[in-house]
Amino acid sequence: SQQGEEDPQALSIQEGENATMNCSYKTSINNLQWYRQNSGRGLVHLILIRSNEREKHSGRLRVTLDTSKKSSSLLITASRAADTASYFCATEAGGSEKLVFGKGTKLTVNP
Amino acid sequence: EAEVAQSPRYKITEKSQAVAFWCDPISGHATLYWYRQILGQGPELLVQFQDESVVDDSQLPKDRFSAERLKGVDSTLKIQPAELGDSAMYLCASSPNGVAGETQYFGPGTRLLVL
Repeated sequence: SQQGEEDPQALSIQEGENATMNCSYKTSINNLQWYRQNSGRGLVHLILIRSNEREKHSGRLRVTLDTSKKSSSLLITASRAADTASYFCATEAGGSEKLVFGKGTKLTVNP
Repeated sequence: EAEVAQSPRYKITEKSQAVAFWCDPISGHATLYWYRQILGQGPELLVQFQDESVVDDSQLPKDRFSAERLKGVDSTLKIQPAELGDSAMYLCASSPNGVAGETQYFGPGTRLLVL
């Protein structure tokens, strides 16, 4: 079963624009992680935000977490063609180290 | 940089046949995961090993799937017999200790097509 739901399912933007993806989840969590998957490849960890954090930055990535709304957002600034990939949120619920992934957002960055 | 290795990368088989996938985690990683990813979906955990012991196989269809990690290093996932609905990407991941908040490192996956 999938805990997270990403929105939108697909997003197409031009190089240089910002991309925002949202993730909603159902149960309380210890942390939330974002992963990237290039077409036909494995997943790559991007960033982790803990339940007591509200915002985190890593390079061109900015992640926010609102535990009251059970939602998170991933912002990629100044996007590049190389950012074209699917992006997944994954939640780790209380009492478990198990990651539960959402269905993902497919991002296309056009040159 | 150390990587998770998987083989084969692609596998085509007919239904009712047996298939096996192999994974070699990053050296020193105690925790190994097998995920199944259906096209257009996120990965779903099938089985988690801590060293050679299974710690979670609640989503593994045990009537046809089996997994082992005999020496606590590399691992094999087997399907027998394969069914059409097993067509998917099978991903292996590893992490140092399997504790909360740890990054999982994924291999490139094995794409299975069952005809």
